[in-house]
Amino acid sequence: KAGVTQTPRYLIKTRGQQVTLSCSPISGHRSVSWYQQTPGQGLQFLFEYFSETQRNKGNFPGRFSGRQFSNSRSEMNVSTLELGDSALYLCASSLVAGGHEQYFGPGTRLTVT
Amino acid sequence: EDQVTQSPEALRLQEGESSSLNCSYTVSGLRGLFWYRQDPGKGPEFLFTLYSAGEEKEKERLKATLTKKESFLHITAPKPEDSATYLCAVQVSGGSYIPTFGRGTSLIVHP
Repeated sequence: KAGVTQTPRYLIKTRGQQVTLSCSPISGHRSVSWYQQTPGQGLQFLFEYFSETQRNKGNFPGRFSGRQFSNSRSEMNVSTLELGDSALYLCASSLVAGGHEQYFGPGTRLTVT
Repeated sequence: EDQVTQSPEALRLQEGESSSLNCSYTVSGLRGLFWYRQDPGKGPEFLFTLYSAGEEKEKERLKATLTKKESFLHITAPKPEDSATYLCAVQVSGGSYIPTFGRGTSLIVHP
């Protein structure tokens, strides 16, 4: 069974731009969660989508948004990029919402200059 | 506020030298505690879920245990390929199930 895939793997953007990251979950998994990982803050939860609905949202500004499609694929968008948004963005899928076992993708490394 | 603290931050072992990593938590009610392994440049890899005090789970050289205040990840006779960062996370019962992650323990096993 194919794992979680994320595209692109690496991205360089400048301040003020916006970015869209994509995540394809494991086949059959309907929940997709997004995380931000930085050396300073560790792994922080952004949001979770299940059946195209946002189920949970972490403590991030409104510049961070996401959506899920009917095939469970998900995208997250960050608008008006700031230097502090440089991070590894991880997507994780699970069978159900709030799933105990999450399977992570390799991440997208975003660098904001 | 829910808190998860992992110790030590970094650990260096010789191959075959067994040790334990600690994850202590302060939550209003535990739904589940999870252990992950993360290799450099990769996403975390799921290892175990523990639900109640006294529960234990094993996988190869790893054994995870849970008490009411902390969890231990015991590594028996580690090999260099066990080198990674080990993360624990907790989910709180009766809430949104948003997991709170610890900062991780970076383990290096020397041959």
